[in-house]
Amino acid sequence: QSVLTQPPSVSGAPGQRVTISCTGSSSNMGAPYDVQWYQQLPGRAPKLLIYGNNNRPSGVPDRISGSKSGTSASLAITGLQAEDEADYYCQSYDRSLSGSVFGGGTKVTVL
Amino acid sequence: QVQLVESGGGVVQPGGSLRLSCAASGFTFRNWGMHWVRQAPGKGLEWVAVIWFDGNNKYYVDSVKGRFTISRDNSKNTLHLQMNSLRAEDTAVYYCTRGIAANGYYFDYWGQGTLVTVSS
Repeated sequence: QSVLTQPPSVSGAPGQRVTISCTGSSSNMGAPYDVQWYQQLPGRAPKLLIYGNNNRPSGVPDRISGSKSGTSASLAITGLQAEDEADYYCQSYDRSLSGSVFGGGTKVTVL
Repeated sequence: QVQLVESGGGVVQPGGSLRLSCAASGFTFRNWGMHWVRQAPGKGLEWVAVIWFDGNNKYYVDSVKGRFTISRDNSKNTLHLQMNSLRAEDTAVYYCTRGIAANGYYFDYWGQGTLVTVSS
């Protein structure tokens, strides 16, 4: 049972928009600590996708965006492409646990 | 460019020990907090431990407290994870990550991971 809650899977056709939700609590995202998002391609290490709720590292396309409100956050991917097929994880800090916490991960499938 | 290369994984019996290492390059290692994050086969990510830039502060996830020890050698740009009293549930790929402290912290660079298998 992960501290942050994500849907197990989402899917969409090429070119469509998909969103992934991440729900936390008052001890993490509501504290309010920032939320990050990571993309993990099959057999690869995770890669930072969004930091500080809505900031993209250099090289991440602007069709990927993040938002946060209270104890919830979401990741949006517009213009879905085959290369977006991966697992996505949200992450924050939890003051009750004194450590970082992750969501359980969401598998994005491009139909 | 930033590189993190883990080593030391392998197969170990329950109750055994293993020491993981992470060789860092491409940045000033002594200025950065470093973390270990693990991923059990087919499962999600789990943060394991952090060590501050100077090694003076260390924090662990509850499930490894008293069994794992994180350390660093800033003269050799190396991060370590000493794992004792290993259990089957410690089986995972262990990633070395660089941490950024900013309203919590996050992980901007990851190594390729090293697999630890605890089995008799």
